[in-house]
Amino acid sequence: AQRVTQPEKLLSVFKGAPVELKCNYSYSGSPELFWYVQYSRQRLQLLLRHISRESIKGFTADLNKGETSFHLKKPFAQEEDSAMYYCALRAGGTSYGKLTFGQGTILTVHP
Amino acid sequence: AAGVIQSPRHLIKEKRETATLKCYPIPRHDTVYWYQQGPGQDPQFLISFYEKMQSDKGSIPDRFSAQQFSDYHSELNMSSLELGDSALYFCASSSYDETQYFGPGTRLLVL
Repeated sequence: AQRVTQPEKLLSVFKGAPVELKCNYSYSGSPELFWYVQYSRQRLQLLLRHISRESIKGFTADLNKGETSFHLKKPFAQEEDSAMYYCALRAGGTSYGKLTFGQGTILTVHP
Repeated sequence: AAGVIQSPRHLIKEKRETATLKCYPIPRHDTVYWYQQGPGQDPQFLISFYEKMQSDKGSIPDRFSAQQFSDYHSELNMSSLELGDSALYFCASSSYDETQYFGPGTRLLVL
């Protein structure tokens, strides 16, 4: 069975400071990892997927299979980054697999 | 671009009543997923459909049933509602590129 852990329920930083949202996973196979973001009163939106290896809104995330982690990083946080962030895993080898979510981290960026 | 549509957005029911939630996927998406998010909880996978056939099943109570129709929209039927069914119900859709796009959710309150 797969499991996703986001150890921080709440994370507060000041504008311009670096931010790192932690995500650890447990899965015996080869997973696909995602970060979804939910701004206030809006739907869940895909932020990043590890196989794309791209930077969205200044955020990056690297899959570390040795540490089973997929931490989300941004060097300079902005107030508009304040939102709920979910790390999610999909079991590898299935094209239409369910997502297993972490508990979510509420990021607040103070001016 | 068209997004996933869910209806109704809000629903209030009494215990032991029945509720039907609808999900309209993004055009040309052939897969639909249902997730349940209780208060303060992470989204939990309920059930999914691919090409109108059930493709996976999670922690869905026997009181719940779902199907995907010929136009690819999906309905989640919930009977004998209990207080614990109060939650936000998300629908997501995907196509062969596998990224799941989420709807705004239906907030169900059981009194």
